[in-house]
Amino acid sequence: QKEVEQDPGPLSVPEGAIVSLNCTYSNSAFQYFMWYRQYSRKGPELLMYTYSSGNKEDGRFTAQVDKSSKYISLFIRDSQPSDSATYLCAMIKGGGYQKVTFGIGTKLQVIP
Amino acid sequence: GAVVSQHPSWVICKSGTSVKIECRSLDFQATTMFWYRQFPKQSLMLMATSNEGSKATYEQGVEKDKFLINHASLTLSTLTVTSAHPEDSSFYICSAGDSSSGNTIYFGEGSWLTVV
Repeated sequence: QKEVEQDPGPLSVPEGAIVSLNCTYSNSAFQYFMWYRQYSRKGPELLMYTYSSGNKEDGRFTAQVDKSSKYISLFIRDSQPSDSATYLCAMIKGGGYQKVTFGIGTKLQVIP
Repeated sequence: GAVVSQHPSWVICKSGTSVKIECRSLDFQATTMFWYRQFPKQSLMLMATSNEGSKATYEQGVEKDKFLINHASLTLSTLTVTSAHPEDSSFYICSAGDSSSGNTIYFGEGSWLTVV
């Protein structure tokens, strides 16, 4: 069983839709959670960084962490064609600069 | 936000030659940097952890003599692919942690290596 599970998609939605991206993890040692957006042939771009269970909002993006269920989500409101990319969930087990464990990434396509 | 820069973005080299990729943290100091490799339609695979002033820590299965890592300063780490072969063609990405913003990890733009 992989430590982090993420549906690779692809996920196609119409412009303006609310997008829900999810990851589950198996190890309760994960404490820090990130979402990255990666456009084709580019490095990952940090979107959200969370530590606590609950919601964190930044513009059209909301990150949600449920440590009891080992489940994290990223919501994108009013999705735009420019949001079309691969979204990677990532997590770290503890303090310091430890190894980051990534999900496989979900490919999102927002159709105009 | 913090910026991590990689150079070159694209490089083509002949089989048997060596290629150096640089990773710089532009507005913060990074005692630790990470090097990843990514194949098409796959997630990032950690190759090694680069520690400033000491030897890098390589992941299992990564040849340390082939992928030389040097972290000579708090803002620069380099990855040298030695005696490159076509199977080394890949997307190489570095990342660095910014201690001033907790454990936030930022990535470089990536470097595409094609070995012909």
